[in-house]
Amino acid sequence: NFMLTQPHSVSDSPGKTVTISCTRSSGSIASNYVHWYQQRPGSSPTTVIYEDNRRPSGVPDRFSGSIDSSSNSASLTISGLETEDEADYYCQSYYSDNQVFGGGTKLTVL
Amino acid sequence: EVQLVESGGGLVKPGGSLRLSCAASGFTFSTYSVNWVRQAPGKGLEWVSSISSISAYMYYADSVKGRFTISRDNAKNSLYLQMNSLRAEDTAVYYCARGRKPGMTIFGVDMAVWGEGTTVTVSS
Repeated sequence: NFMLTQPHSVSDSPGKTVTISCTRSSGSIASNYVHWYQQRPGSSPTTVIYEDNRRPSGVPDRFSGSIDSSSNSASLTISGLETEDEADYYCQSYYSDNQVFGGGTKLTVL
Repeated sequence: EVQLVESGGGLVKPGGSLRLSCAASGFTFSTYSVNWVRQAPGKGLEWVSSISSISAYMYYADSVKGRFTISRDNAKNSLYLQMNSLRAEDTAVYYCARGRKPGMTIFGVDMAVWGEGTTVTVSS
């Protein structure tokens, strides 16, 4: 049993790079795949990164994912921020017979 | 077009029941695991339940175990969620979501296709 902890909010200006972290409370972050979802206001979630660092077709290469065992965290990095990136972002993993979502991070593009 | 369309939401009193449906189209429904995920007003995503492609395996979040039942009818390309003993804290938008890859695997596969959700309100 573990939790995924994300910062409540992050913000930066267009063109900048932002990183959203997702820290696993127990067990190794590398043990189970981490996926990332984007949810724009009023819309359903969509996958932006799956299996730690794979990008679905149609997702810009400005989005990237990584795993850091030293901090037991996964990260979503968005470079060249655009106003359309403003959304909530959720990490997700699993253990045993349960799916686990992080609490979500609100990205504001100033 | 790959599509999931939820229905069956509504207003129900505490202790009541509701059955949600999710109609799938545009893909071979019987080969994919599917999930229910909910989102309370202003809150984050919460996994509710998952079912494997041929109903061999079903899993539930602790918060709904014993009250909710997931099922599917592959002949009708449909997923269901029977919700009993509803509580105020079950109030949420309920999404059905399909795994990315066909097969028996549920965990480790991201939820690549989502419906638009159906709203459940539990209130007296």
